[in-house]
Formats: sequence, structure tokens, C-alpha cells
Amino acid sequence: QTVVTQEPSLTVSPGGTVTLTCASSTGAVTSGYYPNWFQQKPGQAPRALIYSTSNKHSWTPARFSGSLLGGKAALTLSGVQPEDEAEYYCLLYYGGAVVFGGGTKLTVL
Amino acid sequence: QVQLQQSGPGLVKPSQTLSLTCAISGDSVSSNSAAWNWIRQSPSRGLEWLGRTYYRSKWYNDYAVSVKSRITINPDTSKNQFSLQLNSVTPEDTAVYYCARELYYYDSSGYYFGNAFDIWGQGTMVTVSS
Repeated sequence: QTVVTQEPSLTVSPGGTVTLTCASSTGAVTSGYYPNWFQQKPGQAPRALIYSTSNKHSWTPARFSGSLLGGKAALTLSGVQPEDEAEYYCLLYYGGAVVFGGGTKLTVL
Repeated sequence: QVQLQQSGPGLVKPSQTLSLTCAISGDSVSSNSAAWNWIRQSPSRGLEWLGRTYYRSKWYNDYAVSVKSRITINPDTSKNQFSLQLNSVTPEDTAVYYCARELYYYDSSGYYFGNAFDIWGQGTMVTVSS
């Protein structure tokens, strides 16, 4: 069974920079896994932020960026705002199947 | 502006069939550059992709291995919507269920460069209980 692993929790100060990562149990994450990133706040549906590693949706704030880092997919938030406090999920493609990560709870403190 | 509107019962009895519908506005269920997905979320299982339906000259389905024997996702072109049926449910199937659009991206040369789950429905909390 394929497992996608994220940091359970991270804390960042307002205005700071934080990087969340997304690892695959099958090995290094490459662009062929087409990583997606989502933000979810309590009681809401996930909101898409990044697709295919680093591509932003039209509504994605400029402070969010995606990349590959050390064999993992990464989401970097630069100049963190209080409203960025949320759960963040990654998604990886395994052929036609899709697996979500367990999520990272980001606290802005 | 694409929107997905979910409907269906919030309570299902064990061993019965869970049925949900996702109505699409602003796009077509028959789009050649999209797929239509069901995903669920529970505290114990997190976000779990269940499957998709999509049209590429004919209709296709992909299902997650974990539910493959119990799931059916069907398009309804007359109503521009798609549905989820999950048979023989147990309390383990209690979750918030989401529908979502998955867009397939191509560059100007027609080269495929990825997918995005970009639009999500509002979610439906489904409880399996007698």
C-alpha cells in the first residue's frame, strides 16, 4: 500500500517562511507524480493551491510556491499571513490512481 | 465560473447503498479535458480518493483498489451531473464525501503536463448507522 507522508505539524511566525514536504513510500518524488497542494480550513472543502509541482491556480496567492526538494514535493510559504493557518494536503499520482498525504497542520504564531 | 453542487442523504443504514449526486455548472460532464471525481475524508482515513469518470470518445472509470468491488460512478449527460454509489456500507464508510473536477493540462504544442483537482463540491457528511 502506497503511503504519502507529510509533517504532522509545523509552526511559523507571521511574516516568516516555511516549507512543507510530501514524500512517497515508493521512493523519490519526481515531476511525473504531478504533485498537487491544497489548503483546508475547518468546516471547508479543500482549496487547490498548486498543481504539477509548481503551477499556481489563478486564485493562488503569490506567497505560495511549489517545487521538488531532496526527493520530495515541497510547498513554500513566504511572508506568512495569519490567514494561512490551516491544514495543508499534498496529492501524488501513481499511474491513474491518486493518493493524498496525511496533512500538515500549520500554526501561525 | 465552475461550481459543483452535491446532494444526497446524510444517513445510511449498514449493508445498504450510499448514493450521492454532484451537479455541474459552468462545465460539461462530457468534457474531453476533465474528469469527475469522488473523494472522502474521515478522521481515521484522512483524504481518500475513491474514483473518477471521464469521457474520451467513450466513457471510462477508474476506482481505488480499496473500494473497487463496491463502487460505481456514473455520468448523467442529460442532467450534466455524476453520481456515486457505494454498496454494502459499514460504519467505516462514515465520512465527509466530496466531488471534485480534475482538469488535464496541455501546453500550446498539445503536450500533456499534468492534472489538477481544481474545483470541489461543498461536501456531504454521510453517517452509516442503524
